[in-house]
Amino acid sequence: DAGVTQSPTHLIKTRGQQVTLRCSPKSGHDTVSWYQQALGQGPQFIFQYYEEEERQRGNFPDRFSGHQFPNYSSELNVNALLLGDSALYLCASSQTGTGMNTEAFFGQGTRLTVV
Amino acid sequence: AQSVTQPDIHITVSEGASLELRCNYSYGATPYLFWYVQSPGQGLQLLLKYFSGDTLVQGIKGFEAEFKRSQSSFNLRKPSVHWSDAAEYFCAVASLGQGGKLIFGQGTELSVKP
Repeated sequence: DAGVTQSPTHLIKTRGQQVTLRCSPKSGHDTVSWYQQALGQGPQFIFQYYEEEERQRGNFPDRFSGHQFPNYSSELNVNALLLGDSALYLCASSQTGTGMNTEAFFGQGTRLTVV
Repeated sequence: AQSVTQPDIHITVSEGASLELRCNYSYGATPYLFWYVQSPGQGLQLLLKYFSGDTLVQGIKGFEAEFKRSQSSFNLRKPSVHWSDAAEYFCAVASLGQGGKLIFGQGTELSVKP
C-alpha cells in the first residue's frame, strides 16, 4: 500500500501565478482533505472532498479551489499567488462510512515557495 | 468555537527521562482526539487516537495519552524518551468523528538531550 502520495514535493512560483497540487489517497479511502501548514504553525484546514463534491471548507479565500476525480484523487489549485501562500500543503485521506471510526492518513506534503 | 491549545512551544528532555506533552481542547460535544508527530519536512504520522471508551489510550512507539473530560485535556506521555523521538508533536480534535475536519494545536517541539 503506497499510502497517501502528493506531487510535486517542492515547488517555487512567482507572485500572481497559479499552482496545482495533486494528491492520491490511500487505497480504499474515498475522502480527501487539504491543509496548509505555515512555518512554525499547526496545519489549517482548507477543504474536504467527498463524492467529487466539496463537503466542508475552512476559512480560506476563493483563490483556493479544488477538485476530486472519480478515482478519488484530488487537486488543490491556488490562483493569484501571494507571498503568504508559501507553506507546506498537506493532503489527508480517510474513509467516510456509517458507524466507522476512521482516521486521516497524511501525505508527505508539497512545499510551496512563492517569490 | 472548537480549539486546541498546546501550552508548551518547546520542551527539552534528557534521553531516558519521562515525557508529558500537554493538550487542552475546547469542544461542545464528545471530542474525537488525536496526537500526531511530524519530523522535519515530513507529513504527519498518527501516534494515537481517542474516540470513546477507555480514557487511557495506547499508541505506537510507546506513547500513551489520557483523556480527562473534567479538565478538557488529552496529555501525551512516554515513560522513557529516545533520541529518535525528537520531532514536532501536534494535538488535534475532529469536528466530525469519521474523517472529519481536524483542528490542530500550534504544536510542541521536542528536543532530546543525550
